[in-house]
Amino acid sequence: DAGITQSPRYKITETGRQVTLMCHQTWSHSYMFWYRQDLGHGLRLIYYSAAADITDKGEVPDGYVVSRSKTENFPLTLESATRSQTSVYFCASSVGAGAANTGELFFGEGSRLTVL
Amino acid sequence: KNEVEQSPQNLTAQEEEFITINCSYSVGISALHWLQQHPGGGIVSLFMLSSGKKKHGRLIATINIQEKHSSLHITASHPRDSAVYICAVYRNYGQNFVFGPGTRLSVLP
Repeated sequence: DAGITQSPRYKITETGRQVTLMCHQTWSHSYMFWYRQDLGHGLRLIYYSAAADITDKGEVPDGYVVSRSKTENFPLTLESATRSQTSVYFCASSVGAGAANTGELFFGEGSRLTVL
Repeated sequence: KNEVEQSPQNLTAQEEEFITINCSYSVGISALHWLQQHPGGGIVSLFMLSSGKKKHGRLIATINIQEKHSSLHITASHPRDSAVYICAVYRNYGQNFVFGPGTRLSVLP
């Protein structure tokens, strides 16, 4: 079914391990985003991508790495997971170009990550 | 101070009540979005506004650009409306959405 999908939906890992969260969208949207959602905070942008091979940091990028070799995929990697990275991670996509990206945001179902 | 504020933080209503959730922001924006997040679920876009008013079924969203304020209204509320409602703005500068903290709504039967 078309849409935006994340995997895994749930992940438990240990401090220091590398973890990759996958995001795949079928609409060929230009823009893709990774957010984290924590109690007491709104959604906070980790990284975003305006197109394949173009990525940029958001509000809270430290400890994360992204890539976008294909338009439809935008994986998020925690190179050495820390307890503070325990969170729910949402991938989103949007049609949009340039500064006037006012298009609708489509979210994945979220990936709940626990770092022990 | 957060760039996007919402009120109330939590709201409990009886079924059929008229509900209003408010969003105020302090930055110049291109558009404002209202999102809905059910418990344990994903996030769904309800409205995108740049001016005026929009209506989808029992949901109405309004925005006043001059006052930097938006409201989400739910008429004839129903328990299935129970969710967190999130206001998000797209800033004029930078290619980024900024999200409010959300309003948790519980509608009791």
